[in-house]
Amino acid sequence: DGGITQSPKYLFRKEGQNVTLSCEQNLNHDAMYWYRQDPGQGLRLIYYSQIVNDFQKGDIAEGYSVSREKKESFPLTVTSAQKNPTAFYLCASSIGLAAYNEQFFGPGTRLTVL
Amino acid sequence: GENVEQHPSTLSVQEGDSAVIKCTYSDSASNYFPWYKQELGKRPQLIIDIRSNVGEKKDQRIAVTLNKTAKHFSLHITETQPEDSAVYFCAARRDNTDKLIFGTGTRLQVFP
Repeated sequence: DGGITQSPKYLFRKEGQNVTLSCEQNLNHDAMYWYRQDPGQGLRLIYYSQIVNDFQKGDIAEGYSVSREKKESFPLTVTSAQKNPTAFYLCASSIGLAAYNEQFFGPGTRLTVL
Repeated sequence: GENVEQHPSTLSVQEGDSAVIKCTYSDSASNYFPWYKQELGKRPQLIIDIRSNVGEKKDQRIAVTLNKTAKHFSLHITETQPEDSAVYFCAARRDNTDKLIFGTGTRLQVFP
């Protein structure tokens, strides 16, 4: 089913807690991305990584952190500094930097802050 | 930076009618324009894309047109079916970046 997985599907967090969302791909893709999806706002880029041990901030990186220690994995941590973390989070991957590479999306994680 | 505007935000059509969704972009250096379909509760999936050296591309009932001068591109769905009901996102990307800038989405409802 696309070779990119996210876990968990639903996540509940108390205010003030950090939480980590998992993203794994077995497509041998170099590039990975994290997006946040809110109603009426489309997909906004949080962080992206073009290669292992390297990542770049996207448009809304404040309050989030990532790591890319392995090619297959790109976990996203939502920290307590993120003011409004309740959202649907999508991970994606693509072959690499070239402009015409399709991005493949994971099934998403819905995070709710209680 | 790049900005992508998408209209309309919602679109309702009768089964068999055509649907058109339009997007405009701000960065004239953008040269790749994909369209994604997201069914309720599912992940976005690429349905069609177009490069800046092409004016139109068709795939069965789906077509995309690009007007580089006016910096807008459109998705056309003909003979709509209930299973076309979904949220559609347009996006734009420059050649030397790895970032897609998405539009805000269009919720298409096709009524039988």
